[in-house]
Amino acid sequence: SQTIHQWPATLVQPVGSPLSLECTVEGTSNPNLYWYRQAAGRGLQLLFYSVGIGQISSEVPQNLSASRPQDRQFILSSKKLLLSDSGFYLCAWSQNRLLNTEAFFGQGTRLTVV
Amino acid sequence: LAKTTQPISMDSYEGQEVNITCSHNNIATNDYITWYQQFPSQGPRFIIQGYKTKVTNEVASLFIPADRKSSTLSLPRVSLSDTAVYYCLVGDKIIFGKGTRLHILP
Repeated sequence: SQTIHQWPATLVQPVGSPLSLECTVEGTSNPNLYWYRQAAGRGLQLLFYSVGIGQISSEVPQNLSASRPQDRQFILSSKKLLLSDSGFYLCAWSQNRLLNTEAFFGQGTRLTVV
Repeated sequence: LAKTTQPISMDSYEGQEVNITCSHNNIATNDYITWYQQFPSQGPRFIIQGYKTKVTNEVASLFIPADRKSSTLSLPRVSLSDTAVYYCLVGDKIIFGKGTRLHILP
């Protein structure tokens, strides 16, 4: 069966520090991968999605970047965190097939920038 | 991407059937309709997906009229644990709107 791992679960980082969140998927190949952010009391915002290794699409301009160095690994990064980067970050995967909108989410990382 | 409109919040009581309607007037011919459930501090969970008429699974039913400009998620006999945010998605991108905050009362 497929599983998705996301870590760490919680993170407190000072403003201006770098960030690296990692997500890995097991039990499937060539998945679509996603990073979302949910700020406190707000909706779930799609940040990045990837349909293959090295293929990253950004949905909104921001202080973050994403990379997909391996088929089932998705990394969210920042060189210098801002206070506004605080939020609940979720990684997700879906099968890479036409019109598929069934995604499976990780447990999330709650990031607090102080 | 088709815009969706849902009620911001709903209250219901345990044991009742709950219907949440989503409007999507500019749905495209190839678009499917997908519903997710999200509990606090968790990622959304897929509930059900449909294209037209009625789809039913062990969790919910999805009713889609012939014109497909709206859809209704039906949760039978809700319990307190069904308190969550429910999202309606239309199209092939997994993009979430504001959702409907459902609160089940004892």
